[in-house]
Amino acid sequence: QQKVQQSPESLSVPEGGMASLNCTSSDRNFQYFWWYRQHSGEGPKALMSIFSDGDKKEGRFTAHLNKASLHVSLHIRDSQPSDSALYFCAARMTNSAGNKLTFGIGTRVLVRP
Amino acid sequence: NAGVIQTPRHKVTGKGQEATLWCEPISGHSAVFWYRQTIVQGLEFLTYFRNQAPIDDSGMPKERFSAQMPNQSHSTLKIQSTQPQDSAVYLCASSALGGQNTLYFGAGTRLSVL
Repeated sequence: QQKVQQSPESLSVPEGGMASLNCTSSDRNFQYFWWYRQHSGEGPKALMSIFSDGDKKEGRFTAHLNKASLHVSLHIRDSQPSDSALYFCAARMTNSAGNKLTFGIGTRVLVRP
Repeated sequence: NAGVIQTPRHKVTGKGQEATLWCEPISGHSAVFWYRQTIVQGLEFLTYFRNQAPIDDSGMPKERFSAQMPNQSHSTLKIQSTQPQDSAVYLCASSALGGQNTLYFGAGTRLSVL
């Protein structure tokens, strides 16, 4: 079982619409979370990190973290065709000597013009 | 800053041949990671170096895979006797030390084993 689970698997939104992505971790040792985005043929690029409960906004992107429920979400406002990509949730444990990130399987977002 | 540089971008090998993948981390980053990406498994952690020392290789297949970091400016991932199931995109990432630091990925090397 994936320790970091994402939903939905894929998402289609109209240009200008709102995309909402979800992520749940199964290990309470995960305390630091990132959202990454990957366009075809490129490596994943970090969109934003969130470490504290509540909302964090960066431009059109808002992340929300609820540590009690181990749930992280990402909302993309005013979606653009360039937002079409594979989105990953990634988590890191506080007690990890290796500092590795554990990734979810990804949500594929398609923004329809 | 050119970011994390991975070479080659594409590599095709025959079954049983050896493949060596190269990574140049971002200058000043002391943590280097290798991941493997497939459609079925997603992004899988392979191994991690801190200040060039191997720290965590828990994701590395014990046979045929090895990684080294001979100096702070490059790391290599070597796969001996490649098999079709090794076909994947291999990604290198680097970061500053510290749990809250972001990993920066290269564009990856697509390995195809025929």
